[in-house]
Amino acid sequence: ILNVEQSPQSLHVQEGDSTNFTCSFPSSNFYALHWYRWETAKSPEALFVMTLNGDEKKKGRISATLNTKEGYSYLYIKGSQPEDSATYLCAFINTGTASKLTFGTGTRLQVTL
Amino acid sequence: GAGVSQSPSNKVTEKGKDVELRCDPISGHTALYWYRQSLGQGLEFLIYFQGNSAPDKSGLPSDRFSAERTGGSVSTLTIQRTQQEDSAVYLCASSLEQRGYTFGSGTRLTVV
Repeated sequence: ILNVEQSPQSLHVQEGDSTNFTCSFPSSNFYALHWYRWETAKSPEALFVMTLNGDEKKKGRISATLNTKEGYSYLYIKGSQPEDSATYLCAFINTGTASKLTFGTGTRLQVTL
Repeated sequence: GAGVSQSPSNKVTEKGKDVELRCDPISGHTALYWYRQSLGQGLEFLIYFQGNSAPDKSGLPSDRFSAERTGGSVSTLTIQRTQQEDSAVYLCASSLEQRGYTFGSGTRLTVV
């Protein structure tokens, strides 16, 4: 059973704060790590697909890093805005599971004015 | 189509009835996945179709659940003799090779 853990479970920040979340996954047989943003009443939206150790990806104010040797990824949001409020999911693929993603339970972010 | 389409968006059914959930993936996407999210839980894998290969059914929780994908496109998830624990949001996604999934907006199933 693949265990993908995310922390914190929820987070409440003020507009303008920078924040980060953690995703932990098994370090053996790594293939890829995905990050998604899931806003209430909408579909999960792909943010990043990461495959290489040391990879860093950026999309606007959101960035992510990957450490496959120790099995973790960080998602950073710089200068949080209310529209960043969502659940952020990470998901892991190992070499034995083809394209099947195993999701963490997510970090629920709420940004207030 | 432009995105992944799921129907119905909401379904309320009586315990013991059968339900069918439909997913219309992005044209050309070879892979199609079904996940569900029960209250307070993470996204749980159900089934995965890839091209003409045999589907990976390892996540189906019981033999009351089945799915098919016709002509490599539209997929139907069928739940027979629904139980209250089947209540969840059922999400379909499609993808092309190893890129990120594109999810549909889900079907919220409530079994009363």
